[in-house]
Amino acid sequence: DAGVTQSPTHLIKTRGQHVTLRCSPISGHKSVSWYQQVLGQGPQFIFQYYEKEERGRGNFPDRFSARQFPNYSSELNVNALLLGDSALYLCASSKGRQLNYGYTFGSGTRLTVV
Amino acid sequence: GENVEQHPSTLSVQEGDSAVIKCTYSDSASNYFPWYKQELGKRPQLIIDIRSNVGEKKDQRIAVTLNKTAKHFSLHITETQPEDSAVYFCAASRSNFGNEKLTFGTGTRLTIIP
Repeated sequence: DAGVTQSPTHLIKTRGQHVTLRCSPISGHKSVSWYQQVLGQGPQFIFQYYEKEERGRGNFPDRFSARQFPNYSSELNVNALLLGDSALYLCASSKGRQLNYGYTFGSGTRLTVV
Repeated sequence: GENVEQHPSTLSVQEGDSAVIKCTYSDSASNYFPWYKQELGKRPQLIIDIRSNVGEKKDQRIAVTLNKTAKHFSLHITETQPEDSAVYFCAASRSNFGNEKLTFGTGTRLTIIP
């Protein structure tokens, strides 16, 4: 079975631009969560989606948005990029809504804002 | 919200010795405590987890202990090997309370000296 796949793996954007990151969960997993990991820090929770509905939101500005599609894949969108948005963006999927059902991270998308 | 503190930030041990990493959490309702290992440029990988109804859990050379009263939990790695070198993150969650998110510590860079 394929693991959690994220695309693209690396991305360079200019301040003020918009970016879309994509995540495909493990087959059979219905929950997708997004985390931001700034260099040298632990991941910070951005969103959780389960059954195509937002189930949780972290302390991030409205420039960050996400959605989940009928096939349970997900997109994370960030508008008006700032230099501080440079980070590794991680997607995690799990079978159910709860964390202890096979919660698995993808390899992430490295976003650099210049 | 939950706050997780992790110590030490860096740890160097001789190969074959033991390593201990400690975390404290602030939310007494937290009930799920996973540990992740992250090698350079790779995704966080779950190495062991513990739930609040258990005080200790072991998996070969790795063990985790939990003290709910003091709100701290620790990772113990025995007979360390060079491949144990990585950044380790603790995390806490109020799983089953409706917002399934992990709050991570700031990480411990573990270096095993051959």
